[in-house]
Amino acid sequence: GDSVTQMEGPVTLSEEAFLTINCTYTATGYPSLFWYVQYPGEGLQLLLKATKADDKGSNKGFEATYRKETTSFHLEKGSVQVSDSAVYSCALSDRRGSYIPTFGRGTSLIVHP
Amino acid sequence: DAGVIQSPRHEVTEMGQEVTLRCKPISGHDYLFWYRQTMMRGLELLIYFNNNVPIDDSGMPEDRFSAKMPNASFSTLKIQPSEPRDSAVYFCASSTTGVEETQYFGPGTRLLVL
Repeated sequence: GDSVTQMEGPVTLSEEAFLTINCTYTATGYPSLFWYVQYPGEGLQLLLKATKADDKGSNKGFEATYRKETTSFHLEKGSVQVSDSAVYSCALSDRRGSYIPTFGRGTSLIVHP
Repeated sequence: DAGVIQSPRHEVTEMGQEVTLRCKPISGHDYLFWYRQTMMRGLELLIYFNNNVPIDDSGMPEDRFSAKMPNASFSTLKIQPSEPRDSAVYFCASSTTGVEETQYFGPGTRLLVL
């Protein structure tokens, strides 16, 4: 079945550092890929998405490129802020059928001033 | 729109008691999902509805869990009897059919079973 694998957290960075959170997936079809962000005490909210190979999703300075050849969708940001501290979850939605997403375990990001 | 609304936000109960979690999806959304989030397992899909009909409940851990959606604007997740291992954050999410596959999550209910 479909699956998503994320790097283990927590990821701890200083403010203005470069961020990469790795995400790889397994799917038999051609899924859409998502990054969700969860701030403390809140539900998940969509950060960005990409629906086909080589698409780049971007939002709030975060970017991720849909790489079909490596089945990856790594999240990057050039300069993180303290306010970016949250849990980031990679997900895929296989459009062959139900659009029901499969989520990764989530990666906690902690940014220090 | 107010977004997905869940109640209560926090629930503390004793083992053996019945727990009912409530969700109001975004108006016009035809899919509703219940998830459970724990440190050990991450986010798990418990059940989802389409047009108020349960489609897949294979994620429901056991018969102690049940979910209903009596109309398009309300759903409940019930645990009876509750056990300490049910302690988790329970999220409700809704989405709409079509190209837009984004899920909109509620703030969650943090459940602690003593």
